[in-house]
Amino acid sequence: DAGVTQSPTHLIKTRGQQVTLRCSPKSGHDTVSWYQQALGQGPQFIFQYYEEEERQRGNFPDRFSGHQFPNYSSELNVNALLLGDSALYLCASSLFGGPDIQYFGAGTRLSVL
Amino acid sequence: QKEVEQDPGPLSVPEGAIVSLNCTYSNSAFQYFMWYRQYSRKGPELLMYTYSSGNKEDGRFTAQVDKSSKYISLFIRDSQPSDSATYLCAIRDNQGGKLIFGQGTELSVKP
Repeated sequence: DAGVTQSPTHLIKTRGQQVTLRCSPKSGHDTVSWYQQALGQGPQFIFQYYEEEERQRGNFPDRFSGHQFPNYSSELNVNALLLGDSALYLCASSLFGGPDIQYFGAGTRLSVL
Repeated sequence: QKEVEQDPGPLSVPEGAIVSLNCTYSNSAFQYFMWYRQYSRKGPELLMYTYSSGNKEDGRFTAQVDKSSKYISLFIRDSQPSDSATYLCAIRDNQGGKLIFGQGTELSVKP
């Protein structure tokens, strides 16, 4: 049973560029959440997708956008990259309803130069 | 005031010690509480989750929630060097599926 998978594992971009990160949820899960984790900090919630709709959004600018596909996989897009966007981006999947226990992937480490 | 506060440590203990990790939170309406373990450069791994108040035990790990004090704890008995990691407390927001994390406590267990 595959867990949450994310790609790529590591990415280097320059300021102003755009990036797309991908996530496949754990088998049987239908909800995907994205988090940003800066070095030495806890993850910060970006948004959550369920039934291909953004269900909840954290305090992130519109440069951060996402999408969920019919097979429940998801993408995170970040436009006009800033140096401060350098972080570990984590995807978590869960089953909608009940405790909504979230399981995380290994993350994509984004470096913006 | 942050919604979830966690002492970042670092915390260093000898092998076999009992470890106590703690978080406080601000919203008394929170119901679901989790502890994650994160090894260096890896994603968080779910250790335990608790609904409402009380204790939950799993092997060497015990999670405790005190809603009257808005305080959650994770105890690790007979700590091992393999327990060396960052421990994150997380609380599920009542408005949706968002998890609110503490800063994480870095734990080092010395042989």
